Amino acid sequence: DQQVKQNSPSLSVQEGRISILNCDYTNSMFDYFLWYKKYPAEGPTFLISISSIKDKNEDGRFTVFLNKSAKHLSLHIVPSQPGDSAVYFCAATRDDKIIFGKGTRLHILP
Amino acid sequence: GAGVSQSPSNKVTEKGKDVELRCDPISGHTALYWYRQRLGQGLEFLIYFQGNSAPDKSGLPSDRFSAERTGESVSTLTIQRTQQEDSAVYLCASSLRGVYHGYTFGSGTRLTVV
Repeated sequence: DQQVKQNSPSLSVQEGRISILNCDYTNSMFDYFLWYKKYPAEGPTFLISISSIKDKNEDGRFTVFLNKSAKHLSLHIVPSQPGDSAVYFCAATRDDKIIFGKGTRLHILP
Repeated sequence: GAGVSQSPSNKVTEKGKDVELRCDPISGHTALYWYRQRLGQGLEFLIYFQGNSAPDKSGLPSDRFSAERTGESVSTLTIQRTQQEDSAVYLCASSLRGVYHGYTFGSGTRLTVV
């Protein structure tokens, strides 16, 4: 039973354009949602989070939107840069544990 | 140390052998987590240690898997009688409790069972 779902395994975006990564969840009891970024042969690194009581959080080029009624969140990266090419994991927290999605591989095209 | 350190970085073992994976968390971090990532899959929760509380072992896939942590220091994940389906990257993370943005991961141990 996958509680955090990332339905797009990969996404290609032109450099300078907006990247939108999507995530759906099934459990309304999650208290925080997070995005992690992972480069090959490295551990995931924290990118941005949002509390379940908020609907938007912005940090520089990164903005996370939360739609609780749809149980959906998205990560917007604008403008996209070559260094953004990586795997992005959507995650949610409950009972001190993080539950991760399968990830979306983002390719930034020159 | 400055980050979460895991060793070895790579391990190749024969089916049926036991392996031990090590995690050195960030000093002062009370929470420690083990996850694994099999090929093409997401990060799968295995076990969670918080201070001196009983660990949350709900993610361990079988009784061949066990983990220990002494106080708030090093943790070892042991896999007995390894099987080919145990092949994965095993990731350790540590944090201060409740600081959800502060989960810091190590680079992982890539385990290959042949």
